[in-house]
Amino acid sequence: AQTVTQSQPEMSVQEAETVTLSCTYDTSESNYYLFWYKQPPSRQMILVIRQEAYKQQNATENRFSVNFQKAAKSFSLKISDSQLGDTAMYFCAFTSGGSYIPTFGRGTSLIVHP
Amino acid sequence: GAGVSQSPSNKVTEKGKDVELRCDPISGHTALYWYRQSLGQGLEFLIYFQGNSAPDKSGLPSDRFSAERTGGSVSTLTIQRTQQEDSAVYLCASSWRPQGAQETQYFGPGTRLLVL
Repeated sequence: AQTVTQSQPEMSVQEAETVTLSCTYDTSESNYYLFWYKQPPSRQMILVIRQEAYKQQNATENRFSVNFQKAAKSFSLKISDSQLGDTAMYFCAFTSGGSYIPTFGRGTSLIVHP
Repeated sequence: GAGVSQSPSNKVTEKGKDVELRCDPISGHTALYWYRQSLGQGLEFLIYFQGNSAPDKSGLPSDRFSAERTGGSVSTLTIQRTQQEDSAVYLCASSWRPQGAQETQYFGPGTRLLVL
């Protein structure tokens, strides 16, 4: 069974600074996909960024980028120029190539301070 | 277009009562998922629909939980004889088609269920 671990239950950052959220996973699969989802206090979860395991290049979406270390099974999220609207729970998720069902980590609560 | 919607937003019920939670996926999305999110926990997978059929019910925690989907659209999650441990936020998500692992899921706002 796959597992996803987010070792930081809570983090905080000052506005405009950079923060990195960690995620590790465990799998024996070679084909899989990784996601970061954001859940703001309004509760509606949205996709932030995703990474295909077969791609060596790290995914980037504006201020959000990942550091994907396949050998280490690590998938961290870097948020640059943090904004107050980035305050949310962030969930790391994994889906193996043959499955429709993602496995989610327990989440990291990020607070951005003005 | 409209996103995934869920109703009710909040539901308070007494232990032992039955509840129905509704999910309206994005139009045209063939895959639909139900998750449960308890305080301080990640998302717990409950059930997955492809069209009207549920090829994976493995996450349903007990036989008190059931779900159906009609017309390939709206889905209802029913919890019978609710228990206090059923208190959680129930999230619904849909995706365009069952391409599998790479599909992005679009989530609804959830239903917060409180069983007294």
